[in-house]
Amino acid sequence: GENVEQHPSTLSVQEGDSAVIKCTYSDSASNYFPWYKQELGKRPQLIIDIRSNVGEKKDQRIAVTLNKTAKHFSLHITETQPEDSAVYFCAASSTGGGNKLTFGTGTQLKVEL
Amino acid sequence: DVKVTQSSRYLVKRTGEKVFLECVQDMDHENMFWYRQDPGLGLRLIYFSYDVKMKEKGDIPEGYSVSREKKERFSLILESASTNQTSMYLCASRPHAQPQHFGDGTRLSIL
Repeated sequence: GENVEQHPSTLSVQEGDSAVIKCTYSDSASNYFPWYKQELGKRPQLIIDIRSNVGEKKDQRIAVTLNKTAKHFSLHITETQPEDSAVYFCAASSTGGGNKLTFGTGTQLKVEL
Repeated sequence: DVKVTQSSRYLVKRTGEKVFLECVQDMDHENMFWYRQDPGLGLRLIYFSYDVKMKEKGDIPEGYSVSREKKERFSLILESASTNQTSMYLCASRPHAQPQHFGDGTRLSIL
């Protein structure tokens, strides 16, 4: 089955700096890669996703890049703000996998003032 | 707006009890999922269902079962609760090839 590895497990940045979180996946059939943000005590919420026919996608301060050859994808947050502090999860799925997502183990991002 | 509702936010049960966690979604989604979330381990899939009365094992199904008698409702059952099943349980639903939405979670403590 699919295996998703996520790094780093914790990340601390100064407000205004950029943050990058990286994930690798094992199943070359995976074609959908969402990112979720989970604030303390709340549900994971989708912040951005990318499909395998696209190499990069941006939404304001957030971008995701995908390298299908190397089987890795990354989340980039620019101009970080204190409200970006949360746990971020990457995930991967394929249409042949019963629509199930396999998640990484999460990155605790802390944005310091 | 998609709404995935879990019946309890907090639940305390005793070892050996049969425990039911309920999840309801209001968007006619085909696919529903149960995860448990533990520190450092991320979100691990217990069971999922892609249609009424259909179920598939996820990565950690041992000690759990599920029921999906109606499309909108997906129940997770702990047949005989044990202390190592103390965790946060998250339900999610997803239409085919579309983003997945989570409920607020149930924090279950087994004493």
